[in-house]
Amino acid sequence: GAVVSQHPSRVICKSGTSVKIECRSLDFQATTMFWYRQFPKQSLMLMATSNEGSKATYEQGVEKDKFLINHASLTLSTLTVTSAHPEDSSFYICSASDPEGTDTQYFGPGTRLTVL
Amino acid sequence: GEDVEQSLFLSVREGDSSVINCTYTDSSSTYLYWYKQEPGAGLQLLTYIFSNMDMKQDQRLTVLLNKKDKHLSLRIADTQTGDSAIYFCAVSPLGGGNKLTFGTGTQLKVEL
Repeated sequence: GAVVSQHPSRVICKSGTSVKIECRSLDFQATTMFWYRQFPKQSLMLMATSNEGSKATYEQGVEKDKFLINHASLTLSTLTVTSAHPEDSSFYICSASDPEGTDTQYFGPGTRLTVL
Repeated sequence: GEDVEQSLFLSVREGDSSVINCTYTDSSSTYLYWYKQEPGAGLQLLTYIFSNMDMKQDQRLTVLLNKKDKHLSLRIADTQTGDSAIYFCAVSPLGGGNKLTFGTGTQLKVEL
């Protein structure tokens, strides 16, 4: 149980294009999902907290117009990187909390974004 | 805000025990987690402990918590090559449905 998937696992795009990353909780309903960014050999940085049916809460320094988050259902949250630039290249990881379970966050496998 | 620190590297021989340490600053951290990350992958939850516990054992894993010193450790018994990965501790005052603060990560290398 408590499986979180992400799609795509890897994406390469041209500068200026937008990229959408999906995060799904497969066997539980997640009222809250989180989006993290991880640079090589570094820890995870929380970008935003996504609550189903409401606006996401962004961490300080994260541009909400650049990183659009939508949490339209209890099993799906999407992160759209708009007008991507090379500095947006990173490993993006989502997580979801299972309020009925062990009150822990379960992580997706991550999405490697490379912007040329 | 919360600050969580870990040593960057640990190298052990196969079959030995590994001890990965973590210190945090916020005494209100109630939920403490250990995650494992293999190259190019997401994070796998290994184990967790609540602040009202001193120790938790789960097969080869033992978590020790010293609340007074704000020190958390993860001991892996009989370390295997498959344990080579980066290990993150993470803390939260309110539980997994809330913001986690991650440590810097410890890269564990298991040598034959």
